[in-house]
Amino acid sequence: AQSVTQLGSHVSVSEGALVLLRCNYSSSVPPYLFWYVQYPNQGLQLLLKYTSAATLVKGINGFEAEFKKSETSFHLTKPSAHMSDAAEYFCAVSGAPGNTGKLIFGQGTTLQVKP
Amino acid sequence: EAGVAQSPRYKIIEKRQSVAFWCNPISGHATLYWYQQILGQGPKLLIQFQNNGVVDDSQLPKDRFSAERLKGVDSTLKIQPAKLEDSAVYLCASSLQTGSLAEQFFGPGTRLTVL
Repeated sequence: AQSVTQLGSHVSVSEGALVLLRCNYSSSVPPYLFWYVQYPNQGLQLLLKYTSAATLVKGINGFEAEFKKSETSFHLTKPSAHMSDAAEYFCAVSGAPGNTGKLIFGQGTTLQVKP
Repeated sequence: EAGVAQSPRYKIIEKRQSVAFWCNPISGHATLYWYQQILGQGPKLLIQFQNNGVVDDSQLPKDRFSAERLKGVDSTLKIQPAKLEDSAVYLCASSLQTGSLAEQFFGPGTRLTVL
């Protein structure tokens, strides 16, 4: 079975500060890992994905994430927060047997950016 | 390129009533997904289609939920009868193919409130 745990349902940072959103996964098979962003009243948009190539993955809008197998983590970071980054962020895992593409999502982290 | 379209965007019904949601995926996308996103939680897969065949419906409450994808394009998700706990956002997503590496593109969702 696969699962995802996002530590912290709400994270607040000041504009220009480092953004760190935490994600830990559990998977009995080599995982594929994803970060999605959801703006109010919109669908989810893919930020980045890890597919067993480079462990440091760069995504859109200046975000990146590092896959650490020893820590079963895939934390999302951005060096300098912008007001437009305020949204809800979801970590997801895939790669289950059968490879159907089913995504297992964490519960989400709401990012607040203060001026 | 047009994105995934969903309608209606909002729906309010009373418990025990029936409701239907419609999804039009991105043109040419063979795989279509319906997710349920309850407030404060991550999306949960309800059903996945590959063309007009069901790939995974293991988490679909089949006593009240049904879905179809006629001709392998548009899809409808129906709830009959609705319960209070069905209040959620229903997200439709599509991907070019099935598999963990296939990027899923999400629609804006239908917000259902059951009174």
